[in-house]
Amino acid sequence: DAGITQSPRHKVTETGTPVTLRCHQTENHRYMYWYRQDPGHGLRLIHYSYGVKDTDKGEVSDGYSVSRSKTEDFLLTLESATSSQTSVYFCAISSWSGSGNEQFFGPGTRLTVL
Amino acid sequence: QQQVKQSPQSLIVQKGGISIINCAYENTAFDYFPWYQQFPGKGPALLIAIRPDVSEKKEGRFTISFNKSAKQFSLHIMDSQPGDSATYFCAASRGNQGGKLIFGQGTELSVKP
Repeated sequence: DAGITQSPRHKVTETGTPVTLRCHQTENHRYMYWYRQDPGHGLRLIHYSYGVKDTDKGEVSDGYSVSRSKTEDFLLTLESATSSQTSVYFCAISSWSGSGNEQFFGPGTRLTVL
Repeated sequence: QQQVKQSPQSLIVQKGGISIINCAYENTAFDYFPWYQQFPGKGPALLIAIRPDVSEKKEGRFTISFNKSAKQFSLHIMDSQPGDSATYFCAASRGNQGGKLIFGQGTELSVKP
């Protein structure tokens, strides 16, 4: 998994509860991403970071916030979880090659909001 | 204009056959087109990628064909094997947008022995 870990790997929570997911990389890459995966939608970008304290929104950012205080850690927070945020969440890092921006994904976090 | 449409949604192929998955995009500013392979319970893994200045790229049994004028690209898996059974995603991105990937909806491939 390209030096990427995600924690927790599974979480069940209740509606209205705050939840924080952590992505940790050992590769010292500048760019990090959070995606969610849902049946029929592929993967959709939530937020991404292009450096420490530098973040930007993706296509499905409503209800989510992120923080990056260190190069190796990218946190995704659901301030008040809703059932629509039940999903599998993937973190990715990128490495620029001759072909383009190659992204490598972590193992994922399965989140269930009851 | 940011969409990437992928077909078919599911595909069953006999061992040794050719698997073909198609994707179409709208945004002509996209300049990087990767394919990912995902096994159940795992994260997507980069399989092969192409840039629009190349019409075909081959890596082992996997080939991307790219048609810039039609805004379409496809993945061909030659001599398909049961171990290729997985979900495949196409994607596209623009280099000047932080490499944000726009994914297709995915194709579940099953290769029968």
